[in-house]
Amino acid sequence: SQTIHQWPATLVQPVGSPLSLECTVEGTSNPNLYWYRQAAGRGLQLLFYSVGIGQISSEVPQNLSASRPQDRQFILSSKKLLLSDSGFYLCAWDTDSYEQYFGPGTRLTVT
Amino acid sequence: KNQVEQSPQSLIILEGKNCTLQCNYTVSPFSNLRWYKQDTGRGPVSLTIMTFSENTKSNGRYTATLDADTKQSSLHITASQLSDSASYICVVSASRGNYQLIWGAGTKLIIKP
Repeated sequence: SQTIHQWPATLVQPVGSPLSLECTVEGTSNPNLYWYRQAAGRGLQLLFYSVGIGQISSEVPQNLSASRPQDRQFILSSKKLLLSDSGFYLCAWDTDSYEQYFGPGTRLTVT
Repeated sequence: KNQVEQSPQSLIILEGKNCTLQCNYTVSPFSNLRWYKQDTGRGPVSLTIMTFSENTKSNGRYTATLDADTKQSSLHITASQLSDSASYICVVSASRGNYQLIWGAGTKLIIKP
């Protein structure tokens, strides 16, 4: 069966510090991968999606970046965090079907 | 502008009662509409997915309806349980893929014993 992992679960970082969030998927090959951010009381916002290794599409211009170094690994990064980067970050995957599966999320607080 | 609006923002009901959550959308083109359940601090989990031609879909005690003419959907929960306490999110897709999803802000449902 397929499983999606995200870590860390929670993170508190000072403004200006770097960020690296990791997501891995098990039990499937060549998945589409997504990074979302959820602010309190708001709908999910798609940040990046990837249809293959090294292929990244950015939906929202910001100080975040994403990389996909391996087929089932998706990394969200920032060189310098802003206060506005605080939120709940979710990784998701699918295989060209309507069904999309989400990871457990990372709660990021920038102080 | 593509939008998904949900009502009410929050709802409190007693265990065992039924409830209905509403979703209105202005998304074009339309591919499909989904309802997700999101427990606090967790990722969303899919409940139902409906395409243009489907107007009702059930998943256990959850029944979703879709009126593509009026661009409205509802999620009915029957015989609520404490474990139904969560946010319920309506999502509309403007394409076959999952990279053009318009997410509602959700309805926070609290079930009281």
